[in-house]
Amino acid sequence: GQQVMQIPQYQHVQEGEDFTTYCNSSTTLSNIQWYKQRPGGHPVFLIQLVKSGEVKKQKRLTFQFGEAKKNSSLHITATQTTDVGTYFCAGQAGATNKLIFGTGTLLAVQP
Amino acid sequence: ETGVTQTPRHLVMGMTNKKSLKCEQHLGHNAMYWYKQSAKKPLELMFVYNFKEQTENNSVPSRFSPECPNSSHLFLHLHTLQPEDSALYLCASSQVYLDTQYFGPGTRLTVL
Repeated sequence: GQQVMQIPQYQHVQEGEDFTTYCNSSTTLSNIQWYKQRPGGHPVFLIQLVKSGEVKKQKRLTFQFGEAKKNSSLHITATQTTDVGTYFCAGQAGATNKLIFGTGTLLAVQP
Repeated sequence: ETGVTQTPRHLVMGMTNKKSLKCEQHLGHNAMYWYKQSAKKPLELMFVYNFKEQTENNSVPSRFSPECPNSSHLFLHLHTLQPEDSALYLCASSQVYLDTQYFGPGTRLTVL
């Protein structure tokens, strides 16, 4: 079945360092969504990417959708302690129309 | 954020109990979802309702029974659960089917 994998599973950085998480799908996606879940909280929507090769920015966060629409990345520049949490991608496959969440990347930021 | 509310926030139940989880969305959305979040596993979509009609049941055991009386309310009825059903159960809603998900705070369920 369709799978969405994220790497790494866990990343520990010093405050001020950059961070990137990668999302890879076994099938072509119609769109991809990114969510952030703070410890003890619930997932909160960050952004949606639809077009091949699309790049979107939100302050220190840069989101990219691959040309083949099978992978995506989230890059955080100069991490802050407020960036702590688990980042999930969720891909919607055009053929099956299902929304599949990735395995998530837990980011820890040391002050 | 109070767009999607869930009650109770925590629930401990025995394997022979019957309980219900409640979700309410105040966003005027048309689709509602139940997810299960277990440790070290990706979010699992359990059920989807679009305009009150169930559109997806992702091979969920019959001991979980959803109910959607209207577009704003969603229930998950639980009976004879197993310890491995212990997890965070998240409700979500979206304006359009499978569009941006707005999650509630979740119910932390422990089955003894």
